[in-house]
Amino acid sequence: KNEVEQSPQNLTAQEGEFITINCSYSVGISALHWLQQHPGGGIVSLFMLSSGKKKHGRLIATINIQEKHSSLHITASHPRDSAVYICAVDGNEKLTFGTGTRLTIIP
Amino acid sequence: GAGVSQTPSNKVTEKGKYVELRCDPISGHTALYWYRQSLGQGPEFLIYFQGTGAADDSGLPNDRFFAVRPEGSVSTLKIQRTERGDSAVYLCASSQISNFRGSTDTQYFGPGTRLTVL
Repeated sequence: KNEVEQSPQNLTAQEGEFITINCSYSVGISALHWLQQHPGGGIVSLFMLSSGKKKHGRLIATINIQEKHSSLHITASHPRDSAVYICAVDGNEKLTFGTGTRLTIIP
Repeated sequence: GAGVSQTPSNKVTEKGKYVELRCDPISGHTALYWYRQSLGQGPEFLIYFQGTGAADDSGLPNDRFFAVRPEGSVSTLKIQRTERGDSAVYLCASSQISNFRGSTDTQYFGPGTRLTVL
């Protein structure tokens, strides 16, 4: 069993839809990261959180430490949100990554 | 520069050859990380530097892989006797701080080096 599991693996939605991507982990962590990877490989850090909820623009990330679960939400999705979204957990100074969720937003 | 840079962006080599991949972190960032990402997979941790020393090299797959950061800034990942299975995108990231018994700071990723071993 992978230490970090994401669902769904692939998600296609219409522009404007509310998007939820889930991440579950099985190890103790000090923080959880959500990353965005566009075609061509560039990775951008979206959030780092250890409790509660963070919001940046149309993106919201939540974490439940007791349940070892985090969600990334995108409101009013747009085609430019199309990317791979990766959850990574932070333990012992290194990140362990999920395999990513490929999001495609159709105009 | 403003971000993490990696060179080369693409490297094609033959099986058995030696390659070096370079990472220039953001100026002032003390922590530097190397990751490897195979097609369709999430990145996989290789090694982490705190300053000049390798604080954790447990992700290096075998002794053909080695990394240095002699002056605490630029890092080089070295792969000896390359194998076809080494083909992947090698990502470097840096962060401002990393506490040995705490969490890392936000990591800033470079664009990666795509290594292809023929």
